Amino acid sequence: YELTQPPSVSVSPGQTARITCSGDALTTQYAYWYQQKTGQAPVMVIYQDTERPSGIPDRFSGFSSGTTVTLTISGVQAEDEADYFCQSADSSGTSVVFGGGTKVTVL
Amino acid sequence: QVQLVESGGDVVQPGKSLRLSCAASGFTFSRHGIHWVRQAPGKGLEWVAGIWPDGSKQFYGDSVKGRFTISRDNSKSTLFLQMNSLRAGDTAIYYCARDGGYSGYGLANHFDIWGQGTLVTVSS
Repeated sequence: YELTQPPSVSVSPGQTARITCSGDALTTQYAYWYQQKTGQAPVMVIYQDTERPSGIPDRFSGFSSGTTVTLTISGVQAEDEADYFCQSADSSGTSVVFGGGTKVTVL
Repeated sequence: QVQLVESGGDVVQPGKSLRLSCAASGFTFSRHGIHWVRQAPGKGLEWVAGIWPDGSKQFYGDSVKGRFTISRDNSKSTLFLQMNSLRAGDTAIYYCARDGGYSGYGLANHFDIWGQGTLVTVSS
């Protein structure tokens, strides 16, 4: 199955960035979000739709509704410029899928 | 600290084989599933394969099924990826990533720790 993200989002410093991820499986499966800065490995920023790992700033939040999950970055900072990927798994637990990624540009 | 270090990436010709390794440290390796995830140059993330904590079950992405084999040696805290019949489309950075499950059984199918990756280039 597929997860669909917008290719890019642009936001001014201090404003709010919202990134959506859509897929039929999201009605029954959790979503996870990863941040990847240029030249670095991905880092998990949201797990189980809405939970934030320790060490992740509280300006990162997640929301789920039906077939769409949303990553929100409130009060965006220059250091938040990165690619963001959503991820989920199929209901059998045997396959993993990533969204195509969204490039967040801080103007 | 918790760490995953990949090695084995190289330039190989189409049709050839390559074996990647991932050395784990800082956690009880045998209690976690582990995965390989790859990223082609300038592209997104693609899940390659995952293996249960005890190594008893393995799962693969459609693009590598039948060509790649994931395995692990819990006595050495090391993960492997045997890649056969390599194609140009397999060119990517290969990351090993720890499964986020803590039960010691099965896969939670998300990734809480990532290595820095190793580059595989398939080219004649």
